[in-house]
Amino acid sequence: GESVGLHLPTLSVQEGDNSIINCAYSNSASDYFIWYKQESGKGPQFIIDIRSNMDKRQGQRVTVLLNKTVKHLSLQIAATQPGDSAVYFCAGTRGGGNKLTFGTGTQLKVEL
Amino acid sequence: DTGVSQDPRHKITKRGQNVTFRCDPISEHNRLYWYRQTLGQGPEFLTYFQNEAQLEKSRLLSDRFSAERPKGSFSTLEIQRTEQGDSAMYLCASSRGGEDGYTFGSGTRLTVV
Repeated sequence: GESVGLHLPTLSVQEGDNSIINCAYSNSASDYFIWYKQESGKGPQFIIDIRSNMDKRQGQRVTVLLNKTVKHLSLQIAATQPGDSAVYFCAGTRGGGNKLTFGTGTQLKVEL
Repeated sequence: DTGVSQDPRHKITKRGQNVTFRCDPISEHNRLYWYRQTLGQGPEFLTYFQNEAQLEKSRLLSDRFSAERPKGSFSTLEIQRTEQGDSAMYLCASSRGGEDGYTFGSGTRLTVV
């Protein structure tokens, strides 16, 4: 079956540094990926998405890179701020509107 | 539209009782999803609807669980004869059905004592 997993459970960075969160997926049929941010007691919040016909997409302070050859995603956060502290999940799916499969998450801690 | 709404936010129930949660999706979204999340884990898919039709159910959805979306708008998730293992955050999400992101609600935190 399809699975999505993360390499590191916890990432600590200094405020102002760049953060990189990695994610591996197993199903080469996955063609749509989303990064979510989840703060304690809240639902996942959409950050950025990418389709399999792209290898890079940029948003405000965030960039997602997709390497289909090695089935790897990364989320880059520029100039990390205390408000970025949260758990980050990648999720993947096949086709539009189908169920998402989530990884276990990476806890990002921003140190002042 | 204020996004995906879930009610209640928190529910404490005694083992063996039935509970029902409600989800109101974004109005123009025709797909609605239920997920369960336990502490330290990513959300796990339970079931989803396109309009009023339930298109897929996970094996996690035992016969004690039932979900409905009778008019293709709001949905309810009922858990009968709750067990302590049902304690989790129950998340609802909605989408337009295309690849344009899935919006999650804030969840219902269930504690079975």
